[in-house]
Amino acid sequence: GNSVTQMEGPVTLSEEAFLTINCTYTATGYPSLFWYVQYPGEGLQLLLKATKADDKGSNKGFEATYRKETTSFHLEKGSVQVSDSAVYFCALSMNQAGTALIFGKGTTLSVSS
Amino acid sequence: DAGVTQSPTHLIKTRGQHVTLRCSPISGHKSVSWYQQVLGQGPQFIFQYYEKEERGRGNFPDRFSARQFPNYSSELNVNALLLGDSALYLCASSVGQSSYNSPLHFGNGTRLTVT
Repeated sequence: GNSVTQMEGPVTLSEEAFLTINCTYTATGYPSLFWYVQYPGEGLQLLLKATKADDKGSNKGFEATYRKETTSFHLEKGSVQVSDSAVYFCALSMNQAGTALIFGKGTTLSVSS
Repeated sequence: DAGVTQSPTHLIKTRGQHVTLRCSPISGHKSVSWYQQVLGQGPQFIFQYYEKEERGRGNFPDRFSARQFPNYSSELNVNALLLGDSALYLCASSVGQSSYNSPLHFGNGTRLTVT
C-alpha cells in the first residue's frame, strides 16, 4: 500500500544550523507530496507542497524537491531559528479529487539559541 | 479570523459507549475532513465531507460515521467505543474539495480517552 517514512526524531540543532529531515514514500502511481508543520499549541498547517516530479516546494526558507527516482521529498532549511521548533509531517495524496492524506509519523525539531 | 474549532477539547468515555465530536470550519470553507492521530503516529484519514456529501472514507469500521450540516459544520460519531479508539481526533477544513488546490487547515483536536 501507499505509505510515508520519515526520519526518527527528535532532531536537536543550534540556531543557524542546516536542517534536513528525510522523507521517502511508497506509492502506486504519482502522488502529490506535502510537508505540514505543527507549532506548539497550534493545529497542523501546510508548509509546502509539490505535485509532480522535479517540482520544488518552498516557503518560509524551507525547501523540498520531489524526487521520483529516489521516491523522496526531503525537507531542508539553510539556517534554522528557534521559532522553527515544531513537529514536521511529510504526507502524500493519491486522490486529486479529495483530501485524503497519508502522513508519516512526524519528526520533532528542537532549535536552541 | 477564527480558525477551525473543535469541541470538546478533552473527553473520557467508557468502553461500549458512543461519542459525538464537533467541528466548525473556517468561514467560507465547504470541505471538512476528519483524521485520527494515535500517540506517536501521524494522522490517519477517516472521512471527508464536501457540500454536505461524503466524498471520501478511510479504512475505519462502520462504528465510525459523520455528517455535515447546511452551515458546513460537522459531527463525527463513534459507536461501541473500544480502548483502541483512544486518540486525538483532528478536523480539517478547506475551501475546495481537493487538497491539491485547497490546503487543509487543522483544528487543535479533541483528545478522546476510552477506559
